[in-house]
Amino acid sequence: EVQLVESGGGLVKPGGSLRLSCAASGFTFSSYSMNWVRQAPGKGLEWVSSISSSSSYIYYADSVKGRFTISRDNAKNSLYLQMNSLRAEDTAVYYCASQHRYCTNGVCYPAYYFDYWGQGTLVTVSS
Amino acid sequence: QSALTQPRSVSGSPGQSVTISCTGTSSDVGGYNYVSWYQQHPGKAPKLMIYDVSKRPSGVPDRFSGSKSGNTASLTISGLQAEDEADYYCCSYAGSYTSPGVFGTGTKVTVL
Repeated sequence: EVQLVESGGGLVKPGGSLRLSCAASGFTFSSYSMNWVRQAPGKGLEWVSSISSSSSYIYYADSVKGRFTISRDNAKNSLYLQMNSLRAEDTAVYYCASQHRYCTNGVCYPAYYFDYWGQGTLVTVSS
Repeated sequence: QSALTQPRSVSGSPGQSVTISCTGTSSDVGGYNYVSWYQQHPGKAPKLMIYDVSKRPSGVPDRFSGSKSGNTASLTISGLQAEDEADYYCCSYAGSYTSPGVFGTGTKVTVL
């Protein structure tokens, strides 16, 4: 059974930092691109960042570029999000989500959907 | 990239069908067959219901179906059941290698 378990959320003051973690199990973590998706209270889903299976490709939403850093440790089956210079508008539940992949003739590439999600961790930025 | 447009809410009685629309542009929904749909119950994580416009993951009831016409994708729930009451979000690839997709604004489905 695939499991994604986030941790590290909490209350932080504006300008502060927080590091989120996502522990993966039940699938070959090192073969899949991973993502962080957030949801502000009472709002919709917003893609935040993605990282390819080997960390070669990393992308961010404009809203967090320069402040957030995504990383992964395939040996530990773990995904991370380092969040610096936090703002009130970063308050949200942060989900880690795996990105499916297509494989043809031994070549694999990321699909454009998120097949498994963690339960989320709440980040509150407030003074 | 702007969020895709969904109705705020739709409702139906048990056993009826409801359809949720997801409107984008030719640069996202209309340009690619990469629309996915997610169901989210209150306080829970999103769950994949449809991918690549109309494909259902294993375990998702066949009451859920997806389609697309032009710049608008749709999710139809046939034979509505009480447990289908939830928020639903569409998501579409938008042609940029730097992002897997843009989400819709979300729709609350109420079972009367």
